[in-house]
Amino acid sequence: DAGITQSPRHKVTETGTPVTLRCHQTENHRYMYWYRQDPGHGLRLIHYSYGVKDTDKGEVSDGYSVSRSKTEDFLLTLESATSSQTSVYFCAIRLGTDYGYTFGSGTRLTVV
Amino acid sequence: QQPVQSPQAVILREGEDAVINCSSSKALYSVHWYRQKHGEAPVFLMILLKGGEQKGHDKISASFNEKKQQSSLYLTASQLSYSGTYFCGTERGAGNNRKLIWGLGTSLAVNP
Repeated sequence: DAGITQSPRHKVTETGTPVTLRCHQTENHRYMYWYRQDPGHGLRLIHYSYGVKDTDKGEVSDGYSVSRSKTEDFLLTLESATSSQTSVYFCAIRLGTDYGYTFGSGTRLTVV
Repeated sequence: QQPVQSPQAVILREGEDAVINCSSSKALYSVHWYRQKHGEAPVFLMILLKGGEQKGHDKISASFNEKKQQSSLYLTASQLSYSGTYFCGTERGAGNNRKLIWGLGTSLAVNP
C-alpha cells in the first residue's frame, strides 16, 4: 500500500547469522529511512538515505549497515545478529524534508 | 533531546475532545504527528513547519508555538477510529541531515 513494501514481514534467525531486510518503493521518493521500534524506546533511527549511494548513520547504527544502489530499494543488513536486535523494523520514505513520512508495514525480527 | 509528550494516556467517550502536547528543549524546524494502531505502522497526520506552514489531514488540527518549542494536537468530536498511540516527532538541523526524533507516544482510547 502507498507504494512501499518491506520484506520479509516476519523472520526468525539465529544469533550470529547475517540478516538482510528489504524496503522497496514505487514512489520515486528521494529520502528513505530505517527505524526500529521497541517498547519503552519508541522509534529510533538506524540509517537513512538521501539519494542513491548517499547514506548516513542514525542514532542506533552499531551492528547495522545499509545500501542503496537504486532509488527504489534500501537494504538493511544486520551483520551478525544478536538478541538485542530483536525488534520491529520499519522502513519509511518521504518526498522531501518538508513532508511527512510514509511507513512500510514493518518486519518483525526475532533473534534466538 | 527526545520530545516530551503529555499526557501519557487518555481515555475518552465517543464525541469528547482531547489535546495532546509535545514539547522540546531545542529550537525546532518542524513538528510531525502520527497515529499508530496496535500491530500496524505509524500513519502520518500532520507536519507543522517553522514559519507557520502546515500539511496534513483536513480533519486534524494542531498548533506549533515556535518560541516555546511546543506543539499541540487537537482531537475534536472523537470517534472510535481515533483510538491508537499518537507520536510527535521533532526535527532540527538543515537539509539532508534533518532527522526526526520521536516522542514516546500518547495512548488514546475512545470508548462507546
